This record gives sequence, structure tokens and C-alpha cells, in this order.
Amino acid sequence: DGGITQSPKYLFRKEGQNVTLSCEQNLNHDAMYWYRQDPGQGLRLIYYSQIVNDFQKGDIAEGYSVSREKKESFPLTVTSAQKNPTAFYLCASRRGTADYGYTFGSGTRLTVV
Amino acid sequence: GIQVEQSPPDLILQEGANSTLRCNFSDSVNNLQWFHQNPWGQLINLFYIPSGTKQNGRLSATTVATERYSLLYISSSQTTDSGVYFCAVPPKGGGGNKLTFGTGTQLKVEL
Repeated sequence: DGGITQSPKYLFRKEGQNVTLSCEQNLNHDAMYWYRQDPGQGLRLIYYSQIVNDFQKGDIAEGYSVSREKKESFPLTVTSAQKNPTAFYLCASRRGTADYGYTFGSGTRLTVV
Repeated sequence: GIQVEQSPPDLILQEGANSTLRCNFSDSVNNLQWFHQNPWGQLINLFYIPSGTKQNGRLSATTVATERYSLLYISSSQTTDSGVYFCAVPPKGGGGNKLTFGTGTQLKVEL
């Protein structure tokens, strides 16, 4: 089945550590996105990539980094510079250039301990 | 940037009841989408509806672009309808089609 796989489902980070969240898709979608969701709030865009080897900052990019070396993969690194990283992280991809057709992964819940 | 507001923020229904969720947006948009996030966090696209009305089973949506709002109707609600409903819009100029989400309506359907 085609879809987006996010791993791990749950992740615990100690203060000062960098952690990387995985996002893999086998939908052959060009565009991929990372969103952050806090309790009771909507999704906020962290980074997005429309093509391999290119990505742009979203609304809340500070403290995060990404790479897009392969079409299928868009990992997100939460660095120690992110002061409040505890949140639910969702990865999405979109087919073609149309502004619909989003597919979301099932998310990674990150907790700082 | 564009502001997206949803109401009500929380809603509790008895199974079988009907409900209307509202999404207001601060600027004209080229399209609008409704999503359902289930209790396990998975987001599913319900409707892509830049204008007019669409129906899918017990759900329907209407967008009145000139008045900058959209409505999601849920009829004969079921417990599986529980979760959070989001509306989302892209920037008017395209810009990678990144979506701006509302804060959502948390729906709980009880037996």
C-alpha cells in the first residue's frame, strides 16, 4: 500500500540532545512538509520541500533542520536550539502541483524529559 | 498572513445528532480543505472545496468564498466521527501550496 511512514511513533529526548524524526513516502509525491501540533492548536508549518535537494523554511523553522537527498525521504532534526520541542510532529506529502491531494503520516510524539 | 478561525472549539453530541462546524478566513482564498484528525492523530482529507457544496455520505461542506467562510455538516453522527476537524487554506499566490490551518473543532460523539 502507498503511504507515508513516520518513525518512531514516540520519542523521548533529553535536554541538549538533537533527535531526528523519520518521514518516508512511496507515493512518488514531489512535495513534502513538516508540521508541528501543540495541544488544542492547529498545525504550524516547520519546513517544506517541493523538489529533491531544495527546501524552504515555514513559519516556525527556528531550532529545526531538514534535508531532502531523496524524493522518498524528508527527515526532520530537532536541535538543542529548539527551546520547547515537546509536541506532535506530522509529515505530509502532496502529489503534483495542485493545491490538494495531501497525504499525512500518523505522526511522532516527541517529549523532552 | 491569512487568519483562519474555527467554531465552536469543542462540541459534544449524542449519537444520531446533526452538527455544523464553521471556518472563517480573513482573506480571499483559491481553495479550502477540511480534514479530520482521529483520536490516534491521523489526518484524513475530507473535502477540497474552493466554492459551492459537496457531499460525501453523511458529511457535506459548503464554501461561500465571497463571504469568507466554509461550513462542514455532519448528519446522524456516529462515535467514529469523534476527533478534531480542521479547515486549511493555502496562500493566495501559491507559495509551495503550504497550508494554514485553523485551530480546529474537537468533536466527541457519545452513545
